[in-house]
Amino acid sequence: QKEVEQNSGPLSVPEGAIASLNCTYSDRGSQSFFWYRQYSGKSPELIMSIYSNGDKEDGRFTAQLNKASQYVSLLIRDSQPSDSATYLCAVNKSGGSNYKLTFGKGTLLTVNP
Amino acid sequence: DAEITQSPRHKITETGRQVTLACHQTWNHNNMFWYRQDLGHGLRLIHYSYGVQDTNKGEVSDGYSVSRSNTEDLPLTLESAASSQTSVYFCASSDAGAAKNIQYFGAGTRLSVL
Repeated sequence: QKEVEQNSGPLSVPEGAIASLNCTYSDRGSQSFFWYRQYSGKSPELIMSIYSNGDKEDGRFTAQLNKASQYVSLLIRDSQPSDSATYLCAVNKSGGSNYKLTFGKGTLLTVNP
Repeated sequence: DAEITQSPRHKITETGRQVTLACHQTWNHNNMFWYRQDLGHGLRLIHYSYGVQDTNKGEVSDGYSVSRSNTEDLPLTLESAASSQTSVYFCASSDAGAAKNIQYFGAGTRLSVL
């Protein structure tokens, strides 16, 4: 089983719709979870972090974490063409002094005008 | 503003040459990381450092080395460049304290080995 798995897509949604991106992870002791957005030819930029079960909202973005089921998701409401990018899920494995992140391969999102 | 810069942004080299990619951050972060990104593989960790004089191998470290002589810099060296090392390289840094593992990325270096 891959450590962090994402549907590679592409995921295509119409403008104004909700885009739902999913990620599963294998290490049950994982403690920190992140969503990065990466535009083509650019570097990853953080859009959401989540550390405890439940939902975390920031503007049009909502991250959802379910540690029991080992999945984390990202919802993008009122999707805009500018949201078209690859979304990377990243997980920090069991804590202590381990600061490494393991990344999924990313989901390509296309928002159609 | 604090930032993380990589240089050069683009590099073309020949097989067998030694190449060094620079990474400089002004966040004063203890943790620094080097990744490569290839189609179909996502971001893969090459080397990382948790402080001055500390270096560790990541999952794809063969053929690469790093050194950490100060907080700000973590140069990545390809000892003898191979065509398989053609890739986009990203440097990242994070705070070991309150920022809870958030990594900030440089703009990347696109390396072609011919």
